[in-house]
Formats: sequence, structure tokens, C-alpha cells
Amino acid sequence: DIVMTQSPDSLAVSLGERATINCKSSQNVLYSFNNKNYLAWYQQKPGQPPKLLIYWASSRESGVPDRFSGSGSGTDFTLTISSLQAEDVAVYYCHQHYSTPLTFGGGTKVEIK
Amino acid sequence: EVQLVESGGGLVQPGRSLRLSCEASGFTFDDYAMHWVRQAPGKGLEWVSGISWNSGNTGYADSAKGRFTISRDNAKNSLYLQMNSLRVEDTALYYCAKDGINCRSTSCYDYYHYVDAWGKGTTVTVSS
Repeated sequence: DIVMTQSPDSLAVSLGERATINCKSSQNVLYSFNNKNYLAWYQQKPGQPPKLLIYWASSRESGVPDRFSGSGSGTDFTLTISSLQAEDVAVYYCHQHYSTPLTFGGGTKVEIK
Repeated sequence: EVQLVESGGGLVQPGRSLRLSCEASGFTFDDYAMHWVRQAPGKGLEWVSGISWNSGNTGYADSAKGRFTISRDNAKNSLYLQMNSLRVEDTALYYCAKDGINCRSTSCYDYYHYVDAWGKGTTVTVSS
């Protein structure tokens, strides 16, 4: 199974500042056949289901603010919130769909400092 | 608008069975793979199972293999999860989730992808 390791477990960032979340996979999730990284990011607010933010490691889902961006390839990935807003307080998960069983990172809780 | 509505959760004793259902609307159900993802109280997300658009492929987490069975009825726009031999550690909120890629009209190299829509979930509590 591919293990997804996120860091940090939590972080507190001032409003308007940058938040950076890291995700490392235990195996490569870049499919050479189509040159796509099988890595997605989700946001989950309390009491709500997760919401897709980023797919193929760096493609932003429709309607997601452009302050959210994804980067990385192979085994190392990053989700960046360029200017943290109050509504971004949530837990963020990375997710690999390169192979079954599909797996998620443990989550990173983002709070306001 | 995509809607996924789960049902069938409840309180059940260890060793017993439960069948979850998910009714889908707002998209062409038989174009997409579907998933069950669960979240134990206060914990992270765990993929439980997936099924391809035509039921030709199913996948399971190690924790579900041999005990859970995923199925779908495309005529009824419905997804199911039959859960047998339930354990205390199966206690969780179970989400029905839609795959993000239309693999019926597009040639896909693989069966499962990211999830682009989630239901609100149904709670399963396994306790004596």
C-alpha cells in the first residue's frame, strides 16, 4: 500500500500570510504513460464532507479560489494557500489514486494565528 | 447539481451485518466509478471500496476485504455497501463519493481517480 505522510500535523498562520502543507508518498505516483501525478488535495471543514481543491497534483477544481495551488511530482507534493483567509480554517488531506487501495494522508489542521 | 444521499447506517452489534445505500442524482451515474470512504470519529479519511462504472472492477481496503461487498445498480442510480462481520473499529461516518473521471466515454488507463463529489454521510456505530 502507498503510505501518504503529511506535515505538519497542524499549523497556525496569520490572516493574509502563506500556508504551506507537505505530502510525501511512499512510492512514486507519477504515471509515466500519461505524465500525470495521481495526487489530489481536499479541504474539510467541521461537520462537512471533504471538498476537492486540486487534482493531478496541480490542477485547480472549478470554483476554487486561486490562492490555493498545488505543486510537486513523483513522491513530494505541496499545497499552498498564498494568502490565508478566515474561511480557509479546515483540515487538508492529500490523496493518492495511483494504485489500490487508494490512500489519504493523515490530515493537516490549519488555524488562524 | 450532483447529489449523493446515503442511508442505511445505524447501531449494530459486533459480528452483525448492515447494508448501506447511496442514491445519486444530477449526473449520468453509469458514466462514473463510485467509492465508499469512511471517517472514524475525530480521525482522518479512509478509502473503503470502489467500483468501476460498469461493475467490471471492484477494489477494497485491506480492512474491508473479505467482509464488505460493493455493488451498484445503474438502472436505479444507486450504490451499495454490504458490510458483514462488523467490528467495533468499523464505527465511522460512511461517505458515498463520485469519481472525477468519466471512464465510460473516455478511455481510462485505470479504474479509480480523485473524488469530485461527496454525500453528507451515514453513521455506522458498532457496539455491544
